[in-house]
Amino acid sequence: RKEVEQDPGPFNVPEGATVAFNCTYSNSASQSFFWYRQDCRKEPKLLMSVYSSGNEDGRFTAQLNRASQYISLLIRDSKLSDSATYLCVVNQVAGTYKYIFGTGTRLKVLA
Amino acid sequence: GAGVSQSPSNKVTEKGKDVELRCDPISGHTALYWYRQSLGQGLEFLIYFQGNSAPDKSGLPSDRFSAERTGGSVSTLTIQRTQQEDSAVYLCASSLVGTGSETQYFGPGTRLLVL
Repeated sequence: RKEVEQDPGPFNVPEGATVAFNCTYSNSASQSFFWYRQDCRKEPKLLMSVYSSGNEDGRFTAQLNRASQYISLLIRDSKLSDSATYLCVVNQVAGTYKYIFGTGTRLKVLA
Repeated sequence: GAGVSQSPSNKVTEKGKDVELRCDPISGHTALYWYRQSLGQGLEFLIYFQGNSAPDKSGLPSDRFSAERTGGSVSTLTIQRTQQEDSAVYLCASSLVGTGSETQYFGPGTRLLVL
């Protein structure tokens, strides 16, 4: 089993739609979780951290389910500019700052 | 302020040659990471430096790969006797750990093509 798994997509959604991505991780001791966004031929950039109680940033909501070892990202009212690859990132070993990136989920928002 | 910079932005080399890739992290950032991303693939962890601790080299794919970080700042990733499968984008990131913020800031990457 991969350490961090994501559905590669692509998810093709119309503008204004709500879309959700999941990411599963294998190490139950993982403590830090993030979503990064990567545009085509660009470097990844932090979208948001994922907190145990769940957190929201505008149209984006992130949630963590430790029991099932997955995190999710919900995007409401999708914009064309949301088209990108979304990378799930997990701290592999508790107490260190080594992170494992998922292969990403590609989102295309269609006009 | 200045972000993470990497040089060169593109590198074309012949199989068997050595290459050096450079990363200038954000000033004051204690952690520095190297990743590799092949076309259409995810980021593959290579190596991680944190302060004065011994680097975590667990992601280096072979002994042809090595990295140094001098003075806790600039880092160089060296690939010896390059192979075609080394062709990828090499990304460097830095972060300021121990402050509650673990955000990694990435450089634009070096695109390496081995012919």
